[in-house]
Amino acid sequence: DAMVIQNPRYQVTQFGKPVTLSCSQTLNHNVMYWYQQKSSQAPKLLFHYYDKDFNNEADTPDNFQSRRPNTSFCFLDIRSPGLGDAAMYLCATSRDGYTQYFGPGTRLTVL
Amino acid sequence: DAKTTQPNSMESNEEEPVHLPCNHSTISGTDYIHWYRQLPSQGPEYVIHGLTSNVNNRMASLAIAEDRKSSTLILHRATLRDAAVYYCITHPVGTSGTYKYIFGTGTRLKVLA
Repeated sequence: DAMVIQNPRYQVTQFGKPVTLSCSQTLNHNVMYWYQQKSSQAPKLLFHYYDKDFNNEADTPDNFQSRRPNTSFCFLDIRSPGLGDAAMYLCATSRDGYTQYFGPGTRLTVL
Repeated sequence: DAKTTQPNSMESNEEEPVHLPCNHSTISGTDYIHWYRQLPSQGPEYVIHGLTSNVNNRMASLAIAEDRKSSTLILHRATLRDAAVYYCITHPVGTSGTYKYIFGTGTRLKVLA
């Protein structure tokens, strides 16, 4: 039973070409998170939604945006991907900020 | 934020117990301790969490030091499927609504057949 679903699993984009990653969940959790994970590093939180409230991390570049049209879906938009944005992007959900459940991730390649 | 440190890597023989240590010397009194593991090209998978008392579940046990400055994840019988990166995470829980995971550096566990 898939609980946190990320599409696509692998995404290739060109330098500077906007890209959108999607996340959906069947857990009905009210909090959704986006993390960036580079090779051999721990995940780094980019931002999260607590219900409809958007919370951006202070060091998240403006190039990264997010949308949450409803409880089940959340999108990560990278407006102008650079080579340094190549990474695994992880979506996670939680109920009221407690234990987080992660999706399988989307691996982004920037050419 | 609490700083969390873990050994970079550990090895274990198959079917032997594994003790994965974590130091979180600046942890606050209300911070939970979580452990996740991550297989290659997968998202982190929840293993166990606790606050003060030792915890057991079907996957592992969590031993928390009395002063809470360290904890140990115990896999009772390692299998080849347990080979992964294990993250120790501290997690402040409060009323602000912004409950962030503070990830440790992760320990890469290698299980030898």
